[in-house]
Amino acid sequence: GQNIDQPTEMTATEGAIVQINCTYQTSGFNGLFWYQQHAGEAPTFLSYNVLDGLEEKGRFSSFLSRSKGYSYLLLKELQMKDSASYLCAGMDSNYQLIWGAGTKLIIKP
Amino acid sequence: GAVVSQHPSWVICKSGTSVKIECRSLDFQATTMFWYRQFPKQSLMLMATSNEGSKATYEQGVEKDKFLINHASLTLSTLTVTSAHPEDSSFYICSARDPLAGDFYEQYFGPGTRLTVT
Repeated sequence: GQNIDQPTEMTATEGAIVQINCTYQTSGFNGLFWYQQHAGEAPTFLSYNVLDGLEEKGRFSSFLSRSKGYSYLLLKELQMKDSASYLCAGMDSNYQLIWGAGTKLIIKP
Repeated sequence: GAVVSQHPSWVICKSGTSVKIECRSLDFQATTMFWYRQFPKQSLMLMATSNEGSKATYEQGVEKDKFLINHASLTLSTLTVTSAHPEDSSFYICSARDPLAGDFYEQYFGPGTRLTVT
């Protein structure tokens, strides 16, 4: 079966760094997405990885290891506005997104 | 970037009535649109994939006669919740792919529609 696992909730301090992990099992693989979703709003795209390695985009970075079925999203210099749910989604061989349940990130001052 | 709109943003309806939700791609033509449902504190659940000019493909467990999807043009897909019941109350989100935007099949999301059935 297809499955995406990520922690339910994480807490971090403003200005710090946090890493949100995601493990995936998909039928075929066409990439791994990370989305940010604020409460009551639609998801917004953060990153896409299809090759192994780290992709850096400003304060956010995403890493992929295809052999391990593993990805992480790294958020640096945390700001209060980063409080949100972070959704990991794997794209299968049919180009369908398989979604994780999301990780709720709580930022404390 | 590609923009997707949804209308209405929220709607309250009485049990037994039908509600139509529109999803529009504003600056691109979307041959494929997706309809998701999200219950509180849960992730997105794909309901169906809507392809322009053909019948939608529904996910297992989604009643196609209850959730009618029409994708009559390259910029508009509609979801009609027929004979709505309180358990249909949810956040409905559409997304669309821009076939010209790149090769990693990013989905652009609409702002969502919150449906409350009383």
